[in-house]
Amino acid sequence: AAGVIQSPRHLIKEKRETATLKCYPIPRHDTVYWYQQGPGQDPQFLISFYEKMQSDKGSIPDRFSAQQFSDYHSELNMSSLELGDSALYFCASSLYGYEQYFGPGTRLTVT
Amino acid sequence: EDQVTQSPEALRLQEGESSSLNCSYTVSGLRGLFWYRQDPGKGPEFLFTLYSAGEEKEKERLKATLTKKESFLHITAPKPEDSATYLCAVQASSGGSYIPTFGRGTSLIVHP
Repeated sequence: AAGVIQSPRHLIKEKRETATLKCYPIPRHDTVYWYQQGPGQDPQFLISFYEKMQSDKGSIPDRFSAQQFSDYHSELNMSSLELGDSALYFCASSLYGYEQYFGPGTRLTVT
Repeated sequence: EDQVTQSPEALRLQEGESSSLNCSYTVSGLRGLFWYRQDPGKGPEFLFTLYSAGEEKEKERLKATLTKKESFLHITAPKPEDSATYLCAVQASSGGSYIPTFGRGTSLIVHP
């Protein structure tokens, strides 16, 4: 069965640089979510899209933005990166808002 | 505000030693309770959805149960490959948002 695809899997950036993370949800899923997970932490919700429209917003910094495109893939744009942005970033998708299926994640390291 | 508390934070078992993980929750109307398994550095893997008190679901050595206040994940005769962090999340049926609230997880280590 098709799963959520994320790219890149690893990303190393310097402070104040910009990063773009991509997510390809499971086909026919109507909702995409972005999460940030620090070491030993539970996933923290950032933002979600329902049918390509932003639906919910969590603890997403103003330096971050996201969008979902006509082909349903989503991108998380992160600017003015800080050391504290180093984390695992997960994308998940769901159908009708029920159980979420997570991608493998992007490990972002800011140096 | 929805809350999820998982206990214990960490659990060490010998292979074959059955046990249970607890997920206590408060939510303004339960739409669904989810269990996930997460291996280090990987995305959470969906295990079960429970919708109403009394419901039970099984998958191999795992069995999830639900009451009005808590859920248990029972692990029968665990194997070392069951070692992982198990996350519980609840989703409210009211408020217009279906974003789940996650617990901090239980880290399970099964020794051979």
